Amino acid sequence: AQTVTQSQPEMSVQEAETVTLSCTYDTSESNYYLFWYKQPPSRQMILVIRQEAYKQQNATENRFSVNFQKAAKSFSLKISDSQLGDTAMYFCAFMKYNNNDMRFGAGTRLTVKP
Amino acid sequence: DTAVSQTPKYLVTQMGNDKSIKCEQNLGHDTMYWYKQDSKKFLKIMFSYNNKELIINETVPNRFSPKSPDKAHLNLHINSLELGDSAVYFCASSQDREQFFGPGTRLTVL
Repeated sequence: AQTVTQSQPEMSVQEAETVTLSCTYDTSESNYYLFWYKQPPSRQMILVIRQEAYKQQNATENRFSVNFQKAAKSFSLKISDSQLGDTAMYFCAFMKYNNNDMRFGAGTRLTVKP
Repeated sequence: DTAVSQTPKYLVTQMGNDKSIKCEQNLGHDTMYWYKQDSKKFLKIMFSYNNKELIINETVPNRFSPKSPDKAHLNLHINSLELGDSAVYFCASSQDREQFFGPGTRLTVL
């Protein structure tokens, strides 16, 4: 079974600074997807970024980027120029290719301070 | 237009009652899911349906029964509600990759 570990239950960052959230996973698969989801206080789950394991290039979406290290099974999320609206729970998730079973980490609560 | 919708958003009920939560998606996706998020924010998959067929059925009490009348709808019926059922329940849908979530239903059992 696949497991996803987020070792930082809580983090904080000053507005406009950069923060990195950690995620590691365990799998014997070679093809899979990794995701970061954001859950603000409104509780809506929002997809932040997606990475296909076969792609070596790290995914980027505006201020959000990942550091995907396939050999180390690590998938960290970097948020640049943090904004107050980035305050949320962030969940790392793993899904095998051609399989709809998505597994989530326990989440990291990020607080952006003014 | 809302992509994945759930009703109701809030549900407060007494122990022992039976309740349903409805979910609809207008994305044309083949697969739909139900997740439970507990008070510690841990997200756990409960069920998954692909084209109206059950494909994932995690270990949940048989008081929980999903029903999929068509591939755009996946409803969750809960019998004999217990205090421990209090949580936020999320519906989601997907087409091979990322999942799109509904707004969640906060269920409180008194």
